Amino acid sequence: GAVVSQHPSWVICKSGTSVKIECRSLDFQATTMFWYRQFPKQSLMLMATSNEGSKATYEQGVEKDKFLINHASLTLSTLTVTSAHPEDSSFYICSARGGGGTEAFFGQGTRLTVV
Amino acid sequence: SQKIEQNSEALNIQEGKTATLTCNYTNYSPAYLQWYRQDPGRGPVFLLLIRENEKEKRKERLKVTFDTTLKQSLFHITASQPADSATYLCALTSGTYKYIFGTGTRLKVLA
Repeated sequence: GAVVSQHPSWVICKSGTSVKIECRSLDFQATTMFWYRQFPKQSLMLMATSNEGSKATYEQGVEKDKFLINHASLTLSTLTVTSAHPEDSSFYICSARGGGGTEAFFGQGTRLTVV
Repeated sequence: SQKIEQNSEALNIQEGKTATLTCNYTNYSPAYLQWYRQDPGRGPVFLLLIRENEKEKRKERLKVTFDTTLKQSLFHITASQPADSATYLCALTSGTYKYIFGTGTRLKVLA
């Protein structure tokens, strides 16, 4: 299957700082990338959908000024958590889908802890 | 509102038996239904996709059925092994390609 690499796999940051998470499709061009958040023992909650070269579409209740998404190329999308607070601590996962494909392939996830 | 339920939060099964997981949905007309495996602290791994006009899909020891009348999918693992222990997620996709996930079933295969 296609490979999606997410980096870093874990990060600890101080409250008030910003953190950037990268999501790369290694062996295919990802026309669409999705960012999810997952709380312990809960399902994945879609935060936003991004298409290469255009602005991300955010789900209701997700602050776009807080969770900045950039999908500048067909192989890279980034999620920046700005002015992070402890309540932003969570598991963030990206997924990518190639043009014409219906399966979405997931990154390994990033465990963010804000202290 | 759209709702996806995986009726067992946890399922224990003896090694060698067939594990059957259920995914039910309401207020939704999916074009595709997918099953993923997720291990603790890891992202989901794609297993199988089935389209709305398909009844059954198989891959090695895995089988998925899709009944759009009952609004239900069944996911079977035959000859289960302890290595199959994980959380299994179903996800539905409509024409917008937005994926909606169920809450998952934690499967534990006992040796």
